[in-house]
Amino acid sequence: AQTVTQSQPEMSVQEAETVTLSCTYDTSESDYYLFWYKQPPSRQMILVIRQEAYKQQNATENRFSVNFQKAAKSFSLKISDSQLGDAAMYFCAYTAETSGSRLTFGEGTQLTVNP
Amino acid sequence: AAGVIQSPRHLIKEKRETATLKCYPIPRHDTVYWYQQGPGQDPQFLISFYEKMQSDKGSIPDRFSAQQFSDYHSELNMSSLELGDSALYFCASSCLFAGMGEQFFGPGTRLTVL
Repeated sequence: AQTVTQSQPEMSVQEAETVTLSCTYDTSESDYYLFWYKQPPSRQMILVIRQEAYKQQNATENRFSVNFQKAAKSFSLKISDSQLGDAAMYFCAYTAETSGSRLTFGEGTQLTVNP
Repeated sequence: AAGVIQSPRHLIKEKRETATLKCYPIPRHDTVYWYQQGPGQDPQFLISFYEKMQSDKGSIPDRFSAQQFSDYHSELNMSSLELGDSALYFCASSCLFAGMGEQFFGPGTRLTVL
């Protein structure tokens, strides 16, 4: 079974600085997708960024970028120029067609942004 | 843009009662997923439907059942409620042509069992 691990239950960053959230996963599949979701206090699940395993280029969305290391099964999220509104729980998630397209989430990392 | 709609947003029930949660996917989305998120936990997959047929089943208790209707909305029926069923229940939808795994989440239904 696929597993997703986030080893940092909590992280903090100063406003305008950069922070990296870690995620590792375990799978025997070669074709899969990875995501970072943000869950603010409203509890809404918001897609931040996605990465297709067959693409070597790391995905980027404005201030958010990933470092995808397929061989190491690592998928970290870098948030640049952190803003107060970035404070939230961040979940790393995995899916593959062979797993019915269900999302498997990591335990989450609670990010605090200090002014 | 239209989003996933869930109703009700909040629900309070007593032990052993039943509850029905509804989900209205984004128009033209053909797949619906249900997730359960307990306090302080990550979302856990319950069940999914593709074109009104059950497509995948996760850790859904036998006391729960779900279906997808002809208009693509879905309902999660929960019977003999237990205290441990208190959680945030998310519905998500996706479209085959929107990219693998890109699921759009509704705002969730917060169920409290007393």
